[in-house]
Amino acid sequence: GQNIDQPTEMTATEGAIVQINCTYQTSGFNGLFWYQQHAGEAPTFLSYNVLDGLEEKGRFSSFLSRSKGYSYLLLKELQMKDSASYLCATMDSNYQLIWGAGTKLIIKP
Amino acid sequence: ETGVTQTPRHLVMGMTNKKSLKCEQHLGHNAMYWYKQSAKKPLELMFVYNFKEQTENNSVPSRFSPECPNSSHLFLHLHTLQPEDSALYLCASSQDRGGQGTGELFFGEGSRLTVL
Repeated sequence: GQNIDQPTEMTATEGAIVQINCTYQTSGFNGLFWYQQHAGEAPTFLSYNVLDGLEEKGRFSSFLSRSKGYSYLLLKELQMKDSASYLCATMDSNYQLIWGAGTKLIIKP
Repeated sequence: ETGVTQTPRHLVMGMTNKKSLKCEQHLGHNAMYWYKQSAKKPLELMFVYNFKEQTENNSVPSRFSPECPNSSHLFLHLHTLQPEDSALYLCASSQDRGGQGTGELFFGEGSRLTVL
């Protein structure tokens, strides 16, 4: 079956670095997405990876290994506003998004 | 207004009520979606409309009835709901349904539904 796994919750310190992992098993693969969702707000797009490797966007980077069915989102120089849920999703061969349950990231001063 | 707008933001209804959720997108997109978000669960895709035609209905109970009068508006009509239907209902849009670009979704802020 199709499945996305990511940790339920993580805690990190302001100014530090945190890596949120996502492993997946899907029928076909047309890319992997990361979304950020602050409490009570809409999910917003962070990144899209379809080829292996690291994509960097400012303080956020996303990595993909298709052979391992693995991705991570790396957040550097953490700020309090980075406290949010981070959703991993893959697009299968039918262009349907398969979602993980999200990782709640708590940033402490 | 820009982006995806959902109304109402909060809704409390009894099991015998009939209500509707509304979604409007101002992005010129051709695909619109209804998702259900429950605590600590993955987003559940409910319905997809592409160019105003319903293309997916993921085994959603008939007490949820979607309507897409044009590519900018999407409704979710609710009737005789159950307490387990209490959740955040998210509307989203994308350029079209798959194959074009990254397929990035733009979400509204959701309608928080409580069924008593």
